[in-house]
Amino acid sequence: DTAVSQTPKYLVTQMGNDKSIKCEQNLGHDTMYWYKQDSKKFLKIMFSYNNKELIINETVPNRFSPKSPDKAHLNLHINSLELGDSAVYFCASSQGLGGNQPQHFGDGTRLSIL
Amino acid sequence: QKEVEQDPGPLSVPEGAIVSLNCTYSNSAFQYFMWYRQYSRKGPELLMYTYSSGNKEDGRFTAQVDKSSKYISLFIRDSQPSDSATYLCAMSAGTGRRALTFGSGTRLQVQP
Repeated sequence: DTAVSQTPKYLVTQMGNDKSIKCEQNLGHDTMYWYKQDSKKFLKIMFSYNNKELIINETVPNRFSPKSPDKAHLNLHINSLELGDSAVYFCASSQGLGGNQPQHFGDGTRLSIL
Repeated sequence: QKEVEQDPGPLSVPEGAIVSLNCTYSNSAFQYFMWYRQYSRKGPELLMYTYSSGNKEDGRFTAQVDKSSKYISLFIRDSQPSDSATYLCAMSAGTGRRALTFGSGTRLQVQP
């Protein structure tokens, strides 16, 4: 039973389109995250939510909008996709808020912009 | 200069070798240190978690933290081909609204 699951696994789309990625965790965790991993494997935090409240909002273009309908779900909507958005997007969750909490990751959504 | 530096590799070793993976960091406030393993086309999975300085051992894996030198290491004994993956270090200053800061990962290849 997958702990953190993301859909879709692969997303190939054209520049200018709008797309969404969904994430669900069944670990009972309070905090969820979105990360972007570039081609050099560098993982960069984008957003974090704790009990549906936005906690971290890094310097991310406002074309990216996260939504947390409940604490088990965190979705990411991207408007007007650009070539530079091509990356792997990872969802993660942790028991509580704070950098001392180990995070559990999904297997990523590979986004390719044509 | 990045807050966390990690040699990208690839590091290629024969099966059975002892592997040493390292990260240096610049933020002296970091006190929680983690190592994640990431297989190709998978998400990172937590391997080791340490707080402050010292050593921690778990099976074939040993994590070391030297806060005075701002240097952390992961040692893998008796390395196996199944250890071939990218290893990411991650660290944080602590509780509250603080995120983990990741290194860029070292790719390890264990040759059978």
